[in-house]
Amino acid sequence: NAGVTQTPKFQVLKTGQSMTLQCAQDMNHEYMSWYRQDPGMGLRLIHYSVGAGITDQGEVPNGYNVSRSTTEDFPLRLLSAAPSQTSVYFCASSYSYSGANTGELFFGEGSRLTVL
Amino acid sequence: AQTVTQSQPEMSVQEAETVTLSCTYDTSESDYYLFWYKQPPSRQMILVIRQEAYKQQNATENRFSVNFQKAAKSFSLKISDSQLGDAAMYFCALGANYQLIWGAGTKLIIKP
Repeated sequence: NAGVTQTPKFQVLKTGQSMTLQCAQDMNHEYMSWYRQDPGMGLRLIHYSVGAGITDQGEVPNGYNVSRSTTEDFPLRLLSAAPSQTSVYFCASSYSYSGANTGELFFGEGSRLTVL
Repeated sequence: AQTVTQSQPEMSVQEAETVTLSCTYDTSESDYYLFWYKQPPSRQMILVIRQEAYKQQNATENRFSVNFQKAAKSFSLKISDSQLGDAAMYFCALGANYQLIWGAGTKLIIKP
């Protein structure tokens, strides 16, 4: 059982480049989400999904796109990377959307992104 | 707006002693949860303890316990018999309205 798998774990981009952070879970979880973690700040919610075909914005959605075509996958796309998007990104999933309330989230190991 | 505030950027404690990490929060929701997460250098996010707002009894998990003061909107974490493996970033978080709102974290240093 792999849990929540994020790829890549490290990435360096130049300003203006695009890339996709992959997130996959094998637990048949309905709820999936993306957070970013910056120094001196807590995690901030970027986007989340309560099921295949359904996505919604979190606290800091600008500059990011998501889609949820399958239950398993929830990729995060940066269309034109900016230095302000340098951060550590976490994907988290839960068996249901209420997991975000109850803290029953399974986290990936994080992806460190640097934008030069 | 929902907020979580951790006013201690860093705390240190002698091994085997007790330390308390502070957290205050604000929410207009009546149904919510509060959490403490641990993040060691591996970046893995680990749920330490959870408190349901409607429960008056403070949650306890082995050496970890909380002091939940609902009226004061305070939620502190007490770690007893501190161990070297407790060294990590600790995050307080509020779960409400299907979102988790996080504090900025407290770095806990354990002195041998």
